[in-house]
Amino acid sequence: AQSVTQPDIHITVSEGASLELRCNYSYGATPYLFWYVQSPGQGLQLLLKYFSGDTLVQGIKGFEAEFKRSQSSFNLRKPSVHWSDAAEYFCAVGGGGLEFYFGTGTSLTVIP
Amino acid sequence: DVKVTQSSRYLVKRTGEKVFLECVQDMDHENMFWYRQDPGLGLRLIYFSYDVKMKEKGDIPEGYSVSREKKERFSLILESASTNQTSMYLCASSRGTGGLGEQYFGPGTRLTVT
Repeated sequence: AQSVTQPDIHITVSEGASLELRCNYSYGATPYLFWYVQSPGQGLQLLLKYFSGDTLVQGIKGFEAEFKRSQSSFNLRKPSVHWSDAAEYFCAVGGGGLEFYFGTGTSLTVIP
Repeated sequence: DVKVTQSSRYLVKRTGEKVFLECVQDMDHENMFWYRQDPGLGLRLIYFSYDVKMKEKGDIPEGYSVSREKKERFSLILESASTNQTSMYLCASSRGTGGLGEQYFGPGTRLTVT
């Protein structure tokens, strides 16, 4: 069965520090992988996506993610966090069908 | 700019009422989705539609129905609202017949059933 695990419910980092949000997936075929961000009171916005090719993908707002098939992971990274990055982050996996499977989210707090 | 709009940001209804949540997209997307979002549970798919008048159940369809009479509009219906349907409801749309189409989300409707 398809599933996504985000092991960290909540993360706190200082502004300017680096960030890594973890995502592990279970999917029977080649996965399509996504990271979304949700600011308070808002819908979800796509940060980046991986379909094929280079396993390191660049997204908006300075985020990047690396697909590691051997570890079934798609971790999100940012070298220097800004206060405006405080939000909820969701990893999702899709494939041949239309449905996406979302993780339970990681809430990010940024300390000034 | 792509846009998915939802009819209400906040809604308060009484137990037993029939509730309609409306979603409109202006991107001519084939696919539309309804999710509910609850703390600690992430997003759970209620229903989706890949064409006008077509619908498929998601993971948690019980207590809900949907309607898609026009390509741009996808409605979620709570036939008899209950307190356990208090939640944030998110609508999304995507293009295409495969899984490659990223989903675009509306701002959400926070529904409270009292």
